[in-house]
Amino acid sequence: DAGITQSPRHKVTETGTPVTLRCHQTENHRYMYWYRQDPGHGLRLIHYSYGVKDTDKGEVSDGYSVSRSKTEDFLLTLESATSSQTSVYFCAISAGDGTGELFFGEGSRLTVL
Amino acid sequence: SQQGEEDPQALSIQEGENATMNCSYKTSINNLQWYRQNSGRGLVHLILIRSNEREKHSGRLRVTLDTSKKSSSLLITASRAADTASYFCATAAAAYNFNKFYFGSGTKLNVKP
Repeated sequence: DAGITQSPRHKVTETGTPVTLRCHQTENHRYMYWYRQDPGHGLRLIHYSYGVKDTDKGEVSDGYSVSRSKTEDFLLTLESATSSQTSVYFCAISAGDGTGELFFGEGSRLTVL
Repeated sequence: SQQGEEDPQALSIQEGENATMNCSYKTSINNLQWYRQNSGRGLVHLILIRSNEREKHSGRLRVTLDTSKKSSSLLITASRAADTASYFCATAAAAYNFNKFYFGSGTKLNVKP
C-alpha cells in the first residue's frame, strides 16, 4: 500500500472554529490532492498541489486553504468551519509520471456541529 | 465541472452475472481511469485508458472509451460478492493540466451471492 497517512481520522468541531487536516506521504510523489466526498456528489476536488509551495484550486475551493511546505505534507485548513463542510475528506497522491494513478488515504471524517 | 454523470447510480445483480456501468464527461481528456471504493475506505485504482485507446482489459475488467461521445464503460464479467463496492470514473483534461483529476458521482454495485 502507498504510504499515505491522514490525520485526524475523525473530528467533531463546532461552527466557526478552525480545523486543519493533515496528509503525510512517504512516496516522494510530486502531486497531492484534497477531495471531499458527500452522498450524491461523488468526490469533488478541493485543492491540489503540483510541488512544494505550488497549489491550485479545484471545483469546491471556497472556504478552504492549503499549504505544502514540504514534499511529504499537504495541509487542508478550514479557517472557520461551517456545517456545510461536514464531509469525508480524502487525500490522494500521484507521481504524475504519465500513468496518472492516484493513491488514496483512508479518509478523515469531519463533523461540524 | 469537467465530469458528467455515471449511470446507473445503483446496480444490483446476482453473482456470476456481468455488471456494466457508464461514465460521461464534458471536455477533451488525456486519460480516463476507473476506481473502486469499498464502504468506508479510500479509493483503489483499477484501470487507466488513454484517449488514443478504445478498449482495455485487466482480468475480469473491460473498459471501453468513445471520445466522440465523451463516454466510457466498465464491464465486470462473472461478478462475485466481493465485487460489491462503489465504482468511480476519473478524468483529467487533455489541455492545461492533465494531472488535475475530476471524479463522477459513482455507481454503487451490489452483487448478491
